[in-house]
Amino acid sequence: DVKVTQSSRYLVKRTGEKVFLECVQDMDHENMFWYRQDPGLGLRLIYFSYDVKMKEKGDIPEGYSVSREKKERFSLILESASTNQTSMYLCASSRSGPTRETQYFGPGTRLLVL
Amino acid sequence: GESVGLHLPTLSVQEGDNSIINCAYSNSASDYFIWYKQESGKGPQFIIDIRSNMDKRQGQRVTVLLNKTVKHLSLQIAATQPGDSAVYFCAENMGSSGGYQKVTFGTGTKLQVIP
Repeated sequence: DVKVTQSSRYLVKRTGEKVFLECVQDMDHENMFWYRQDPGLGLRLIYFSYDVKMKEKGDIPEGYSVSREKKERFSLILESASTNQTSMYLCASSRSGPTRETQYFGPGTRLLVL
Repeated sequence: GESVGLHLPTLSVQEGDNSIINCAYSNSASDYFIWYKQESGKGPQFIIDIRSNMDKRQGQRVTVLLNKTVKHLSLQIAATQPGDSAVYFCAENMGSSGGYQKVTFGTGTKLQVIP
């Protein structure tokens, strides 16, 4: 089974702090994704990566950056946390290929910015 | 704009009854669809998928139906159990966009199972 893990289930940070969210997958997937999930809005893509050291902006990249130094690890960075970044953050991974591939999700990190 | 949506935000069913959760999609280019289950405080869990060359796919107690004519997707859960209580949402894969298979997720339907 695919396993995607996230470093924290819950985080409380103060406005202006730098925040790191870590995600690790153990299935050698090429693609990794960071989403945020807010009530009534569904999942919105922040950034994705289709290879080591590669990254692409999603639909809402403002205020975030990412890092992918190793294939299994994809980090989301909030350079200066703001209260509007309070949300549930979900990491996902999928294989790459010519066919459509399912994204598998981690358990999520619920971030509260005070 | 094009979107994936759900007809009912909340669905309450008696334990043992069948559940049907619906999803409408509007992008005719979408060719792969996934249903996810998300329990409270957890990440989405893959349930079942279907490709556009199929009309129906069955899993364990779940069936997904795809009607491409009206761009409609449904998830049927047989003999609903308390453990099925969760938010269910569909996702459509709209194909490649800059090396990435763009996936759009619906906002979800909450299924409440009444014991």
